[in-house]
Amino acid sequence: DSGVTQTPKHLITATGQRVTLRCSPRSGDLSVYWYQQSLDQGLQFLIQYYNGEERAKGNILERFSAQQFPDLHSELNLSSLELGDSALYFCASSVGGLAGTYEQYFGPGTRLTVT
Amino acid sequence: GENVEQHPSTLSVQEGDSAVIKCTYSDSASNYFPWYKQELGKRPQLIIDIRSNVGEKKDQRIAVTLNKTAKHFSLHITETQPEDSAVYFCAASSTGNQFYFGTGTSLTVIP
Repeated sequence: DSGVTQTPKHLITATGQRVTLRCSPRSGDLSVYWYQQSLDQGLQFLIQYYNGEERAKGNILERFSAQQFPDLHSELNLSSLELGDSALYFCASSVGGLAGTYEQYFGPGTRLTVT
Repeated sequence: GENVEQHPSTLSVQEGDSAVIKCTYSDSASNYFPWYKQELGKRPQLIIDIRSNVGEKKDQRIAVTLNKTAKHFSLHITETQPEDSAVYFCAASSTGNQFYFGTGTSLTVIP
C-alpha cells in the first residue's frame, strides 16, 4: 500500500457524461500528479498540482480539468466523455517543492469504462 | 520538451539470468531518473531511482546506471526470478513537476 488513495475503483458511464475522480495523497505530500494509461499503453502525464497550485500541464484535453483542494486532495473532472477516454487513471503524490523529494507514489487507479 | 525512448519493448530471460533495459532522454536539464515496475492491473511501483550527480546506484539485485554525456540510463536486474515478470517503465524529470515516461518493457522470466 503506497498510502495514496483513489476513488472510485471502477466507473462505468456513457458517452457524453461527466465524471469526477478523487485522489488523496500520502500524508505529508504536497504534490499530486494525474496520469492516463490506456490499454497496452504507457503512462501519459496529464497535470500536476503543488500545494493547491497548478505546476505542470501535459497532454490534457480541454474536456478534462483538475484541482487540488486546501486539504490537499485532488479531483480530476472528465466531461463530454468519449469511448477513447476509457482507461486507467492514476494519481501519484510526492513531497515536492524545491527542497523536496521527487519520488512519486502511485495510487491504485480508477478504471474508467465509457460505453 | 523531453523525449524518453525505452528499449526493448519485450524481453524474455531464463530464471537466474540478468536483464537489462535501456532508456535515452533528450533534455540535458533532466536530473532525476526513476524506474517503475507495474504488474498486470496494478499500480506502478517505484523500484529504484538515480539523480544526475550519481553514476550508479544499487539495491540488492537491482541497479541503475546513468551516462549523462550520452544521455542514457539503464536498469539492470541480476539473478532474475519469476516474480520479476512485469512491465518496467523508465522516466525523466528536471523539476519534479513533470515526468516523461518511456513506453515500457514487458519482462518475462521463464522458470
